[in-house]
Parts: sequence; C-alpha cells; structure tokens
Amino acid sequence: EVQLLESGGGLVQPGGSLRLSCAASGFTFSSFAMSWVRQAPGKGLEWISTIVSGGANTFYADSVKGRFTISRDNSKNTLYLQMNSLGGDDTAVYYCARGWSSFDYWGQGTLVTVSS
Amino acid sequence: DIVMTQTPLSSPVTLGQPASISCRSSQSLVHSDGNTYFSWLQQRPGQPPRLLIYKISNRFSGVPDRFSGSGAGTDFTLKISRVEAEDVGVYYCMQATQFPRTFGQGTKLEIK
Repeated sequence: EVQLLESGGGLVQPGGSLRLSCAASGFTFSSFAMSWVRQAPGKGLEWISTIVSGGANTFYADSVKGRFTISRDNSKNTLYLQMNSLGGDDTAVYYCARGWSSFDYWGQGTLVTVSS
Repeated sequence: DIVMTQTPLSSPVTLGQPASISCRSSQSLVHSDGNTYFSWLQQRPGQPPRLLIYKISNRFSGVPDRFSGSGAGTDFTLKISRVEAEDVGVYYCMQATQFPRTFGQGTKLEIK
C-alpha cells in the first residue's frame, strides 16, 4: 500500500524557517517524481514544487522560488521541503504527492502556521 | 501560466441524479508528446485530495465507474452518472502539461 506521511509543520514566526519531510512507503520511491502542493485555510490547491525521480531537476512556483527548496533522499525514501523567509501567505496545509503528470497518491498533509 | 476555470463553482444535486462539472484551460493542454495531461481530483471534507481521472478520461484505481471524464484541447468535463452521498466534496481540475502546474478554483458538490 502506497503511503505518504508528512511531518515538520507547526507555528513559525514571520521571517522564520521550517523544514517539512514526507516519508514514503509501499512503492519504489526512487522511480517517481514527487511534488508539494499546499492549501491555505478555506482555499483551493496550489502547486508549489516538483522534483524528478533522481533529484537532479527541480521546479518551483513563482510564489516560493528563491525561498523554498525541494530535495529528496532516495536512500531514506524521504522528500523534503526547506522553507525560508516565511510570511503569512505561506500559512497552509502542505501535502506531498506522488507523480509528475498526475498526482496519484497524497499524504494527509501537515499544517504550517506563520504568525507572531 | 495556464489558467484553469471551472463551472459551476457550486452544484447542488439530488441523490441518484447526474452531475456535471466543466473545466476550461486558457490554452491547449496537448503536450508536445501528444498526450493531454489533464486530471480531476476529489477532496472530501477534512480529507486530502484524491485522484479520480487522469489524461482526460482514465479512471484511477478504485474509482467507481459512475465517474467519467471527457474533452479535448481546452474544454473538459467530469460527469457523475448517479450522485451518491459519499461524492460530497470539492472537485478540482488540474493541468500538468506545463509548469507551473495549475488547478481550477474548485467546484463544491453538495446534496440538495
């Protein structure tokens, strides 16, 4: 069974940093591109970033480019999102999702709240 | 960026009756490889999104056959042949033909 489990969310002050993790199991992690998608409270879905299976290529939404970094450790079956210079607009549930051209499995999400 | 526009934004439906959601993209979603990377997702209340349909009309594993997708180019439709109570939630279209990946605003399906 494919499982994705996010962690690392919490309350952070404006301007602060946070690193999210997504532990994958039930499939060959190193064979799949992975993505992060977020959802602000009461709002729709926003794609943030995608990383190819080997980790060599990454893609970002303009809203996070230069502040967020996606990475992966295929030996640990784990996806990461390093978030810096956080602002109120970054408050959201962050989901990791498997896939490149469609997101076929999603984690339960981790809540990031940016507030002083 | 490709803008995805869904209609309607809210859809009250009677149980057992059909429902239909449309999604229009601001440019063609046909990729240079010939595929159209368009999908539909469902988000039930309090749950993460779930993939229903990929590449316009392919039902994902475990998705009931009352869900069907159709369309081409810039116009796409999700149809539910007979709405059940478990179908309540928000439905999103998504394009993955180019970066950035973009979603529609969401259509809330509710029971009358």
